[in-house]
Amino acid sequence: EVQLVESGGGLVQPGRSLRLSCAASGFTFDDYAMHWVRQAPGKGLEWVSGISWNSGSTGYADSVKGRFTISRDNAKNSLYLQMNSLRAEDTALYYCAKGTEDIVVVPTDYWGQGTLVTVSS
Amino acid sequence: DIQMTQSPSSLSASVGDRVTITCRASQSISSYLNWYQQKPGKAPKLLIYAASSLQSGVPSRFSGSGSGTDFTLTISSLQPEDFATYYCQQSYSTPPSFGQGTKLEIK
Repeated sequence: EVQLVESGGGLVQPGRSLRLSCAASGFTFDDYAMHWVRQAPGKGLEWVSGISWNSGSTGYADSVKGRFTISRDNAKNSLYLQMNSLRAEDTALYYCAKGTEDIVVVPTDYWGQGTLVTVSS
Repeated sequence: DIQMTQSPSSLSASVGDRVTITCRASQSISSYLNWYQQKPGKAPKLLIYAASSLQSGVPSRFSGSGSGTDFTLTISSLQPEDFATYYCQQSYSTPPSFGQGTKLEIK
């Protein structure tokens, strides 16, 4: 059974940093691209970032480019999102999601339950 | 970036109804279009990929069609568990953008 478990969310002040983690199990992690997708309270889905199977290709939404960094550790079956210079508009539930293939721009077929990030002073 | 626009934004229907949701891309995306269902408090679930391919385990009352810029998701006979919010997403280019969502409510 595929499982994706996010952690690392919490309350953080504007301008500070936070690192999200996603622990994956139930599939061959290094065969697939991985993604972060967020959802602000009461709003729709926003793709944040994606990474290919071997970290050779990454992508970011314009809204986070230069502030967020996606990475993965295939030996640990883990995905990460380093979030710097956080803003109030980054407040959202952050989902970890598995791609259907090894490249970045593909559908996502499994999602975690999300970790909540709240940016507020 | 490619913009995805869904219509309607909300829809009221009854159990047994046939429902269609439309998604339009700001430029051609071939058949790189996916549909997701999200229920309150839950993570999204992939229903349809590549415009018309049914994800494993998804009931056959769900179907997708279209190519280029115009796409539809059809539910042939609404069931109580289908009342949810539906999102389209293009996977043609980065960023793989989502539509704004269509909330399907019980009439």
